[in-house]
Amino acid sequence: DAKTTQPTSMDCAEGRAANLPCNHSTISGNEYVYWYRQIHSQGPQYIIHGLKNNETNEMASLIITEDRKSSTLILPHATLRDTAVYYCIVRVGMYGGATNKLIFGTGTLLAVQP
Amino acid sequence: GAGVSQSPRYKVAKRGQDVALRCDPISGHVSLFWYQQALGQGPEFLTYFQNEAQLDKSGLPSDRFFAERPEGSVSTLKIQRTQQEDSAVYLCASSPVLPIYNEQFFGPGTRLTVL
Repeated sequence: DAKTTQPTSMDCAEGRAANLPCNHSTISGNEYVYWYRQIHSQGPQYIIHGLKNNETNEMASLIITEDRKSSTLILPHATLRDTAVYYCIVRVGMYGGATNKLIFGTGTLLAVQP
Repeated sequence: GAGVSQSPRYKVAKRGQDVALRCDPISGHVSLFWYQQALGQGPEFLTYFQNEAQLDKSGLPSDRFFAERPEGSVSTLKIQRTQQEDSAVYLCASSPVLPIYNEQFFGPGTRLTVL
């Protein structure tokens, strides 16, 4: 699985959009970009994933560059409850007994300020 | 519905003791994962089950770590002769069917402290 690079920490004002970048320059054509977040003292929580098209769900939007070497997770209106460590993960989806384990880095600590 | 549950939430062990950590996945989830998370780090993969079959145990750090899922539902992670470096949060995650595109659902973790 490709390696990802994320800033160690970011701040965001409450109510503003939070844009979290991720570099994955060695991504392969069959690898997906996943985002998880981990609020303090909780297990990680899935946010969104994509292959090459931009994706949006009720939690966030995922923008993947055309060359797929980087992506941005967007929380459109950050709240204090969005303060968490955000992990960008790249992995291949495989069939038939493959592990499909998640390889986490150290992520980005997003601090939403009141 | 109920999510993934883990017990105990906190465990303190003296060095050399054996511990057993339990994971109750979401009902019907085929896939089950164990991860270890050291302080200030992201979770690291330990092992993976598909139903009762342990298909990948490449992340287990030593032969003191053992995991089982005998009936394809509840799983237990056992650590024998605990060492201080085993202190970490142990996370369990489950996923329905084959986790190709599906998200993994994580429990709250068990915080193990080895004195």
